[in-house]
Amino acid sequence: GAGVSQTPSNKVTEKGKDVELRCDPISGHTALYWYRQSLGQGPEFLIYFQGTGAADDSGLPKDRFFAVRPEGSVSTLKIQRTEQGDSAMYLCASSLQGGPGANVLTFGAGSRLTVL
Amino acid sequence: AQSVTQPDIHITVSEGASLELRCNYSYGATPYLFWYVQSPGQGLQLLLKYFSGDTLVQGIKGFEAEFKRSQSSFNLRKPSVHWSDAAEYFCAVGAMTGGSYIPTFGRGTSLIVHP
Repeated sequence: GAGVSQTPSNKVTEKGKDVELRCDPISGHTALYWYRQSLGQGPEFLIYFQGTGAADDSGLPKDRFFAVRPEGSVSTLKIQRTEQGDSAMYLCASSLQGGPGANVLTFGAGSRLTVL
Repeated sequence: AQSVTQPDIHITVSEGASLELRCNYSYGATPYLFWYVQSPGQGLQLLLKYFSGDTLVQGIKGFEAEFKRSQSSFNLRKPSVHWSDAAEYFCAVGAMTGGSYIPTFGRGTSLIVHP
């Protein structure tokens, strides 16, 4: 596609429910990133995919957060047993290839998650 | 590990006035530096980037930034601010961390423009 697409744009859920957030990167981009942005804060790194594999998941909370990218394109971020502290904007970004240099991240509009 | 500091949480300027947003970074080698802008409810849009070469870089919407290695700074400037520039601005440093390229963002500076 022309840009990075994220769905849903808004999600309101009850504490304890599971949610799934989807990211469709720019076609041909091999690198995909998930960030979390809390109110009044900058984006916080969660996980980085290079192709189908998670190259770095050091920012992903280990117990309830899972992310996959099975075919090297669309990625899904799943949050199990949501807590009120999970409320945030979840941003997805992609770049042509992983690594420094001319690989600028292009961001989607984000998925705003509210846990009641 | 790299880090980014944006010391100003809010900046208020009058329309037509000049603007400078501060950014300081911490990284052991030459970093890749970025400024992004975020309008309410939107994702981040790249304004400009520095990889190497000329330390004064030009971006979109009339913005520029200057890399100063001695001060570990990458401040964003605009000579004349428009009301539509009101938004959140994020400085970021891209660096290798444990073999992965992970851009790290500052907490952002909110720009308020008075008519």
